[in-house]
Amino acid sequence: DGGITQSPKYLFRKEGQNVTLSCEQNLNHDAMYWYRQDPGQGLRLIYYSQIVNDFQKGDIAEGYSVSREKKESFPLTVTSAQKNPTAFYLCASSILPGAGYGYTFGSGTRLTVV
Amino acid sequence: DQQVKQNSPSLSVQEGRISILNCDYTNSMFDYFLWYKKYPAEGPTFLISISSIKDKNEDGRFTVFLNKSAKHLSLHIVPSQPGDSAVYFCAASDRGSRLTFGEGTQLTVNP
Repeated sequence: DGGITQSPKYLFRKEGQNVTLSCEQNLNHDAMYWYRQDPGQGLRLIYYSQIVNDFQKGDIAEGYSVSREKKESFPLTVTSAQKNPTAFYLCASSILPGAGYGYTFGSGTRLTVV
Repeated sequence: DQQVKQNSPSLSVQEGRISILNCDYTNSMFDYFLWYKKYPAEGPTFLISISSIKDKNEDGRFTVFLNKSAKHLSLHIVPSQPGDSAVYFCAASDRGSRLTFGEGTQLTVNP
């Protein structure tokens, strides 16, 4: 079955640590996205990539970094510079870098800073 | 600058009745609109979409209405079922650009 796999489902981070969230897709989609969900704020775009080895900042990129070395993979690193990292993180992909075909989402990673 | 707004954080309806979820947008360049449904601890799933050249699109119990002059769209669910209880996100796109999402509305359908 084709889809997007996010891991881990739950992640705990100590203050000052970097953590990396995994996102893998086998849909052969060109574009991939990282969103953050906070209560009452909907889905806010962190980073997106339209093609391998290229990515752009979204609306809330500060304190995050990404890489796109393979078409299938788009890992997100939450750095110690991110002041409020506790949130639900969602990865998505689309056939083309646009909305005409809609996005397919992963099941998310809940990150908690302890 | 919130270009897509869902002003009702929550909505509660009785099973069998109609649920109406609303969404407003400010960017007149948006030409494609989608609704996503999300259960807790899961990713959103696509529900229904509409192009700006239409004013209505139906899929079973779900109908989306678009009023371009008012920059407003709505999702109607008839009849509502308890399994429809979820968060619903409105999203919009400008000529194939990345999606912009609203804040979401929590729908609760009571048996």
